[in-house]
Amino acid sequence: AQSVTQLGSHVSVSEGALVLLRCNYSSSVPPYLFWYVQYPNQGLQLLLKYTSAATLVKGINGFEAEFKKSETSFHLTKPSAHMSDAAEYFCAVSLTGGGNKLTFGTGTQLKVEL
Amino acid sequence: NAGVMQNPRHLVRRRGQEARLRCSPMKGHSHVYWYRQLPEEGLKFMVYLQKENIIDESGMPKERFSAEFPKEGPSILRIQQVVRGDSAAYFCASSTDSYNSPLHFGNGTRLTVT
Repeated sequence: AQSVTQLGSHVSVSEGALVLLRCNYSSSVPPYLFWYVQYPNQGLQLLLKYTSAATLVKGINGFEAEFKKSETSFHLTKPSAHMSDAAEYFCAVSLTGGGNKLTFGTGTQLKVEL
Repeated sequence: NAGVMQNPRHLVRRRGQEARLRCSPMKGHSHVYWYRQLPEEGLKFMVYLQKENIIDESGMPKERFSAEFPKEGPSILRIQQVVRGDSAAYFCASSTDSYNSPLHFGNGTRLTVT
């Protein structure tokens, strides 16, 4: 069985500040991990994914995430927040690299303030 | 290249009516997945289909829900005798294979049961 836990359902940062969205996973086998972003009234867009090739994964829009096996974590970061980053972010785990049968976390709503 | 197309975007049904949600996968994609997003929750896997076959329906409620992906035409998620608890956003995603290809999500159908 797999699961992900996202700590903090709402995160607020100032524009230009560091973004840190937390995700911890539980998996009985080596996991494939994903971050998705959802803008209002839209579907999910893949930000990045971890498939065991490298522990630091770079994604789109300046986001990156680091896989830490010892901490069972896959936190999402961005050095400098932009207003356009305001959205809901979902961490997900899958048994396959394509991430077809995904198990999602409950999401973190990111607010970016001036 | 059109993305995953879902229609309608919004659907209102009275309790007891039927809801039909349609999903046209991206061109060249033969794998379709349906997910449901309840308010304040992450997406939950419902069913995985390939053309004319249901591969995994472990996330589907046992009653009133069914899905199909015929040889020709879109995938259909059908909910009979809808109840208020069925109100949610239903997302379809498609991919080219079941292992390594990423999922592409549609913008969802928001079902409201009155």
